[in-house]
Amino acid sequence: NAGVTQTPKFRILKIGQSMTLQCAQDMNHNYMYWYRQDPGMGLKLIYYSVGAGITDKGEVPNGYNVSRSTTEDFPLRLELAAPSQTSVYFCASSLDGYNSPLHFGNGTRLTVT
Amino acid sequence: EDQVTQSPEALRLQEGESSSLNCSYTVSGLRGLFWYRQDPGKGPEFLFTLYSAGEEKEKERLKATLTKKESFLHITAPKPEDSATYLCAVQATSGTYKYIFGTGTRLKVLA
Repeated sequence: NAGVTQTPKFRILKIGQSMTLQCAQDMNHNYMYWYRQDPGMGLKLIYYSVGAGITDKGEVPNGYNVSRSTTEDFPLRLELAAPSQTSVYFCASSLDGYNSPLHFGNGTRLTVT
Repeated sequence: EDQVTQSPEALRLQEGESSSLNCSYTVSGLRGLFWYRQDPGKGPEFLFTLYSAGEEKEKERLKATLTKKESFLHITAPKPEDSATYLCAVQATSGTYKYIFGTGTRLKVLA
């Protein structure tokens, strides 16, 4: 029962570096999401995907990119990391996007210094 | 604008002391309201979905209720293992497949 798997769990980046946060799900869910969670701010949607090859922006997409080449994988790319991107990043998936609960991974804690 | 507000921000209870957490929402049309539990260093874990006013769901010591403007998560005779942050999220009928989250209630149950 893997569910949603995120790697790495922790990462420290220097300003200007780039990295990819990996997310994979084994539940055959079509809908996948990337959120960031900052203290006192709640979960904010970065990008989401309704199926392979289809992605769209959420509330806070600037500085991020995504791709969805398979149903299982939904990587998040950070280009030119900035201190404002220090956060905990959660990937989630849902069965159909309507009334279905989100299933979350355990997050990636990213620090940009 | 669709919005979710949770209160209180933090709550300390003695073991066995029942209480309720509140989730107030403003959406053009409610598709569903979701409760999650989040432990430190973990992702949110799904608890309940409520779809219409008057609906109730129960799981062990937790009971979630829904009205047209808010939801309550009632915790009966809590135990220390119920300590966590409880998140509420709504999905609106308008717009796309997005879930709007509140900022959560941090619950601490003391033995």
